[in-house]
Amino acid sequence: DVKVTQSSRYLVKRTGEKVFLECVQDMDHENMFWYRQDPGLGLRLIYFSYDVKMKEKGDIPEGYSVSREKKERFSLILESASTNQTSMYLCASTPGGGPYNEQFFGPGTRLTVL
Amino acid sequence: AQTVTQSQPEMSVQEAETVTLSCTYDTSENNYYLFWYKQPPSRQMILVIRQEAYKQQNATENRFSVNFQKAAKSFSLKISDSQLGDTAMYFCAFMKAGGTSYGKLTFGQGTILTVHP
Repeated sequence: DVKVTQSSRYLVKRTGEKVFLECVQDMDHENMFWYRQDPGLGLRLIYFSYDVKMKEKGDIPEGYSVSREKKERFSLILESASTNQTSMYLCASTPGGGPYNEQFFGPGTRLTVL
Repeated sequence: AQTVTQSQPEMSVQEAETVTLSCTYDTSENNYYLFWYKQPPSRQMILVIRQEAYKQQNATENRFSVNFQKAAKSFSLKISDSQLGDTAMYFCAFMKAGGTSYGKLTFGQGTILTVHP
């Protein structure tokens, strides 16, 4: 069964802290994504990765960085957390190739920055 | 760039009735895919249905069907015989076709659907 897991369901951090959000998929997927979900805005793409050590900016990359050292793991890093980064963060993965690919989502991490 | 618009923030329906969720999109691409995803309360997002833009026939999956109007750039979701388990946030999403898209999705704002007993 397809599975995407995220390291925490809920996280509370202080302004200025460095925050790591981890995502792991067990499907050998090439592509992985980080989104943030905010009410009234839907999901917005922060970063994605199409291969190990390869990454590209999404629509809202400011204040974030990512790391993909292994195929199954994709990390989102908030270098210095700010209150406007309080949000729900969703990770997703999808196989490479093919005419279209369903994205498989993790359960999400609700991050609160105080 | 693509945009996806869901103009209904919230909808409600009685159990066993039919409901239609609206979605419009804007793109200059000719080849693309459209999706409806469902996010139940406190549960993971899952795919409901997908449509290839080059196909004229509307996709159906059991009680879920779409009305795809390519010229109007409209992609609505119809849920028949609504069930309590259909209560969720529904997202419409767009994917450009082709290898360089890497499967990236552009999402609408979402519609909260509540099914009442």
